[in-house]
Amino acid sequence: ETGVTQSPTHLIKTRGQQVTLRCSSQSGHNTVSWYQQALGQGPQFIFQYYREEENGRGNFPPRFSGLQFPNYSSELNVNALELDDSALYLCASSIPGGASTEAFFGQGTRLTVV
Amino acid sequence: AQRVTQPEKLLSVFKGAPVELKCNYSYSGSPELFWYVQYSRQRLQLLLRHISRESIKGFTADLNKGETSFHLKKPFAQEEDSAMYYCALAFNTGNQFYFGTGTSLTVIP
Repeated sequence: ETGVTQSPTHLIKTRGQQVTLRCSSQSGHNTVSWYQQALGQGPQFIFQYYREEENGRGNFPPRFSGLQFPNYSSELNVNALELDDSALYLCASSIPGGASTEAFFGQGTRLTVV
Repeated sequence: AQRVTQPEKLLSVFKGAPVELKCNYSYSGSPELFWYVQYSRQRLQLLLRHISRESIKGFTADLNKGETSFHLKKPFAQEEDSAMYYCALAFNTGNQFYFGTGTSLTVIP
């Protein structure tokens, strides 16, 4: 069984550019959530994908978008990057159930916007 | 608004001393509370959840709906407990979480 993996680990982009972050979910997990963690803050929910459909979204603008593929891996896309988008982006995979269960986190992608 | 508050950013205790990490929440529905932990150079991982009513690594947490709290406690702190601790509130019963800002615990030998 493999854990959640994210790529790349670090990324530097210029303001206004676009970025794609990738996440491979843990084996057997069909739900992927993305979080943004700014320095000194807790993770903040961006959105979740379940069986290739968006299944909930936090308070983030439309320039944050995502995809989930048939193998349950996922991408987070951010357009028109702003300096405040600099953060650690975390991906978490899980299996949905009647009550919330455990979310397994990746190691994160550190995005720096200059 | 749904909120999770961890009032202490930093907490230091001596080895063998009791430790309590505070967490308060506000939520209009039936809350599901979790504690996640991040050890140095490791990824965020689940420590415990209130619905399981379990003790993990000597830690316990009781959901107090009257005080809207979910404080994490351990009677005797160990050096290996030094880590960043996040309280999290699940919403939409789909593993979507509101996280607090975290408490960095240092256990002094």
